[in-house]
Amino acid sequence: ETGVTQSPTHLIKTRGQQVTLRCSSQSGHNTVSWYQQALGQGPQFIFQYYREEENGRGNFPPRFSGLQFPNYSSELNVNALELDDSALYLCASSFAGTHNSPLHFGNGTRLTVT
Amino acid sequence: RKEVEQDPGPFNVPEGATVAFNCTYSNSASQSFFWYRQDCRKEPKLLMSVYSSGNEDGRFTAQLNRASQYISLLIRDSKLSDSATYLCVVPTGTASKLTFGTGTRLQVTL
Repeated sequence: ETGVTQSPTHLIKTRGQQVTLRCSSQSGHNTVSWYQQALGQGPQFIFQYYREEENGRGNFPPRFSGLQFPNYSSELNVNALELDDSALYLCASSFAGTHNSPLHFGNGTRLTVT
Repeated sequence: RKEVEQDPGPFNVPEGATVAFNCTYSNSASQSFFWYRQDCRKEPKLLMSVYSSGNEDGRFTAQLNRASQYISLLIRDSKLSDSATYLCVVPTGTASKLTFGTGTRLQVTL
């Protein structure tokens, strides 16, 4: 069984730039959720993708966008980066069809915005 | 009331002690709950799922109190390796959204 993989592991960007983070879901999973975790906080829900469409969104501005591909992998795009976007970005996959099935997380991408 | 609330701790306990964490939630319609463990600078990992009144797995017991809207995690015979942050997770809003608490930090010492 292949777990959730994310790339890159670390990234440094400058304020105003754009970034794309990538995630491959665990085999057998069809849903991908993205979370942002700031230092000392719990993960905050950004959005979820199911069947290549956004299926729920947290309190994040439109400059946070995403995609899901036919193979269930996903991308998170953030435009016009701000200093407060510095955080650990976590991708998690699950199987829709079982109500509230648990999330399985990747190792995360640590983004630093300077 | 916040969607999910946890005492951030830290809880400092000696090896062998029993420790319990509580987590309160606001959405009375929530049906299933989870406890995750997160080590420093690592991703959260599923510790236990709670679908009914409770669940036990070795030294770990999770209990659900729907009337008072809280879930608890009990760790017996604490080990040094149990030192981590424990995250309470509750479905909120749409069925797709799982909301995390801020986590409770546990430090087990000799």
